[in-house]
Amino acid sequence: QVTLRESGPALVRPTQTLTLTCTFQGFSLSTTTMCVSWIRQPPGKALEWLARIDWDDNKYYSTSLETRLTISKDASKNQVVLTMTNMDPVDTATYYCARIGSGGSGYYSFFDYWGQGTLVTVSS
Amino acid sequence: DIQMTQSPSTLSASVGDRVTITCRASQSITGWLAWYQQKPGKAPKLLIYQAYRLASGVPSRFSGSGSGTGFTLTISSLQPADFATYYCQHYDSYSYTFGQGTNLEI
Repeated sequence: QVTLRESGPALVRPTQTLTLTCTFQGFSLSTTTMCVSWIRQPPGKALEWLARIDWDDNKYYSTSLETRLTISKDASKNQVVLTMTNMDPVDTATYYCARIGSGGSGYYSFFDYWGQGTLVTVSS
Repeated sequence: DIQMTQSPSTLSASVGDRVTITCRASQSITGWLAWYQQKPGKAPKLLIYQAYRLASGVPSRFSGSGSGTGFTLTISSLQPADFATYYCQHYDSYSYTFGQGTNLEI
């Protein structure tokens, strides 16, 4: 059974760096074709993709946020970590991690399993 | 960047209705289009991937279609559990874009 769970601080001060951890079960990031992403959703707003990391350690970022984001993995611990620097109140959102699926196509185009999300509030 | 625009933003319907939600791309896209359902306080749930493939465990009343710049999600006969917000999502060149969402309400 595939499960993902996000963890991290609920409150971050402006200008601080946010570090979030995604701990997953039911698959391994050491296995070819496995990928994990981070996605966020401000309260009452739409979803926004942030970053992706692949089994071979390739990393991809949202072009609008890539200067502030770093994604990494510890496959032995079944964890993916996202850091976001210089946090601002507009970064207040629920942050989700999700596994990426390909449906056998070789294109990792959709998110098939999601964590429950963690709400991060940026406020002084 | 390709923009994904959903319509309508809000859709009022009744149990048993057939409803269609549209997702339009700012330019012609491949079929790497997915649909998600999200209920308040919950994570999104995958419904459709690759434009028309039904995700595992999703009822057959959900279907997806489309190509080029226009894609649709159809629910053939609304059930009470279907009242939620729906998002389309496109994949292209290692980047993912979501639509702004459609709130399906009673």
